[in-house]
Amino acid sequence: QSALTQPRSVSGSPGQSVTISCTGTSSDVGGYNFVSWYQQHPGKAPKLMISDVSKRPSGVPDRFSGSKSGNTASLTISGLQGEDEADYYCCSYAGTYTVIIFGGGTKLTVL
Amino acid sequence: EVQLVESGGGLVKPGESLRLSCAASGFTFNNAWMSWVRQAPGKGLEWVGRINTRGGGGTADYAAPVKGRFTVSRDDSTNTLYLQMNSLKTEDTAVYFCTRYGSGHFDSWGQGTLVTVSS
Repeated sequence: QSALTQPRSVSGSPGQSVTISCTGTSSDVGGYNFVSWYQQHPGKAPKLMISDVSKRPSGVPDRFSGSKSGNTASLTISGLQGEDEADYYCCSYAGTYTVIIFGGGTKLTVL
Repeated sequence: EVQLVESGGGLVKPGESLRLSCAASGFTFNNAWMSWVRQAPGKGLEWVGRINTRGGGGTADYAAPVKGRFTVSRDDSTNTLYLQMNSLKTEDTAVYFCTRYGSGHFDSWGQGTLVTVSS
């Protein structure tokens, strides 16, 4: 099964909002509410930012929000800050055969 | 505080084996599903495998590229997660992250250990 589809890069200026999409199929993103998002700074381990489509773990700023419509999930970052510049990965449960699938990753540049 | 510390990475030749370990602390390990995720140099994240709790049967699932070659296991007496990797291929070269897995997401990550498969 191919990776979930994410844009390779997005950018925005400080204070602006950006949205990163994550497109899958009815067998993964569209079939389960188990979509999660991870932030990864260079040379660091990924960090969970959103679970279960739209739940924000403790400590994650409320500038980060998640949603889903059909087979596409989205991560929106509002009030962009320089520290948000990182790679972002979506992930979805995909059933008992494939089990778990990641997106290819999106590089966010804060201009 | 949840801590996951991987070890065991290194340079091996194609066809050889390697076992990674992950020492867990700061949470009740025997109640947690655990998983391995890898990242090839300059590439994205790829799920490798996960293991249930012993109470849930201790069963493991694997991604297609590693099924039959990799084995995830756990030792609840020492709070340690393992990844046994056999018949290694050059495409298995990656940083391997130990993660705590829960309901479709990975809520804690180790810093990773690098495995290089090269002749």
